[in-house]
Amino acid sequence: RKEVEQDPGPFNVPEGATVAFNCTYSNSASQSFFWYRQDCRKEPKLLMSVYSSGNEDGRFTAQLNRASQYISLLIRDSKLSDSATYLCVVIAFNQAGTALIFGKGTTLSVSS
Amino acid sequence: SQTIHQWPATLVQPVGSPLSLECTVEGTSNPNLYWYRQAAGRGLQLLFYSVGIGQISSEVPQNLSASRPQDRQFILSSKKLLLSDSGFYLCAWNSGGNQPQHFGDGTRLSIL
Repeated sequence: RKEVEQDPGPFNVPEGATVAFNCTYSNSASQSFFWYRQDCRKEPKLLMSVYSSGNEDGRFTAQLNRASQYISLLIRDSKLSDSATYLCVVIAFNQAGTALIFGKGTTLSVSS
Repeated sequence: SQTIHQWPATLVQPVGSPLSLECTVEGTSNPNLYWYRQAAGRGLQLLFYSVGIGQISSEVPQNLSASRPQDRQFILSSKKLLLSDSGFYLCAWNSGGNQPQHFGDGTRLSIL
């Protein structure tokens, strides 16, 4: 099992749709979780952290399920500008210290 | 506020030539610094990270090296570039531990 796995997509949705991405991680010692957004040919940018209690930022909701070892990102009322690749990031502490693992990303395409 | 600068934005180099990419961080002290490479259509690959001046950890064997001559400066180098060194190189920083990383704008390197 890969350390961090994401469905690569692409997810093609119309404007206004609700779309959800999942990300699974293999290291049960993982401590912190984030979602990043990466536009084509640009650097990844932090979208939001993921907290155990779940958290919301406008149209975006992130949730963590430690028992099943997955995190999710829900986007409501999709906009054209949401089109991007969404990267799941997991931080785990191991013998070597802190390991920050990026998923390969899920591509979202929102169309009018 | 903290900022990260990375240059150049684009670089075209012949095979066998040397390389030097520079990254600097402002507005923080003793950051953790990272170099990543992202090949076309692929995920982020961690190349090097540094937790302090002169401290470099290499994640994968390769044709590249990194140095940290100053607290907020991180340099990626090569003596002789290979075709396989082409890619999108990203510098990132965080304040350590379980904090998210913040990326520079990236350098798109093409080897001819």
